[in-house]
Amino acid sequence: DAKTTQPTSMDCAEGRAANLPCNHSTISGNEYVYWYRQIHSQGPQYIIHGLKNNETNEMASLIITEDRKSSTLILPHATLRDTAVYYCIVNSDYKLSFGAGTTVTVRA
Amino acid sequence: EPEVTQTPSHQVTQMGQEVILRCVPISNHLYFYWYRQILGQKVEFLVSFYNNEISEKSEIFDDQFSVERPDGSNFTLKIRSTKLEDSAMYFCASSEGLAVYNEQFFGPGTRLTVL
Repeated sequence: DAKTTQPTSMDCAEGRAANLPCNHSTISGNEYVYWYRQIHSQGPQYIIHGLKNNETNEMASLIITEDRKSSTLILPHATLRDTAVYYCIVNSDYKLSFGAGTTVTVRA
Repeated sequence: EPEVTQTPSHQVTQMGQEVILRCVPISNHLYFYWYRQILGQKVEFLVSFYNNEISEKSEIFDDQFSVERPDGSNFTLKIRSTKLEDSAMYFCASSEGLAVYNEQFFGPGTRLTVL
C-alpha cells in the first residue's frame, strides 16, 4: 500500500512559487518525510526532509501540518530547470520507497 | 561538488550474458545502494551495502544479482545471466551514514538493454 498520495501532475509559471502537496495520513511517529526529484530519467536528487518542524534549505521549504498527515513542498521561485518528477517519501529506514510522484512542468 | 559516477552510461547485452555495472561512490561515504527503474515505472530499491557486506536486499535481488566493493573506490552490481526483464536504468547511490535522515546521493544511472 502506498504511504503517500500526490497529484499526478501540475503546472507552474516560471518565477512563481510551486506548492506541491502530499498526503501521508498513516505516517507513524518515527517516520520522516523526504522529498526527492528526478529530472528526465537522471538519478533522483535529494531536496529536503523533515520530521515535525518546517524546514528550509537553499532549494525549497517543507511545511508539515501539526498532525503530520500532510505536507507541502514549496519551490519559492520555479525555473524551467525545476521541471521534474517530485517524489514525496515517508520512511523510517534508509530504503527509499519511491511512488509515482508528481510531474511538475514549469512553463515560461 | 562531489558526485557519484557510474559506468557505462548505456550497456547493451544479449540475454543470458553476464553484465557488471560500475559505480564510484562519494569518497567519504560508507553506505552504498543500488536501485533500478524499469522504463515508465517506479524507482525500486535493490540492495544496500556496508562494511563489505549486504545490509539488506529486496525481493528483486535474487541469486542472479551480486554486489562487490573490489577496491577502495568502486562498487559493482553483477547480473549473472541477464533476462529481458532486467532491462532498466540502474542507479547507484551512497550516503555518509545509515541513519534515516542521511541524504542519499544518486549517480546518473546505467541504462541496461537486454536483447
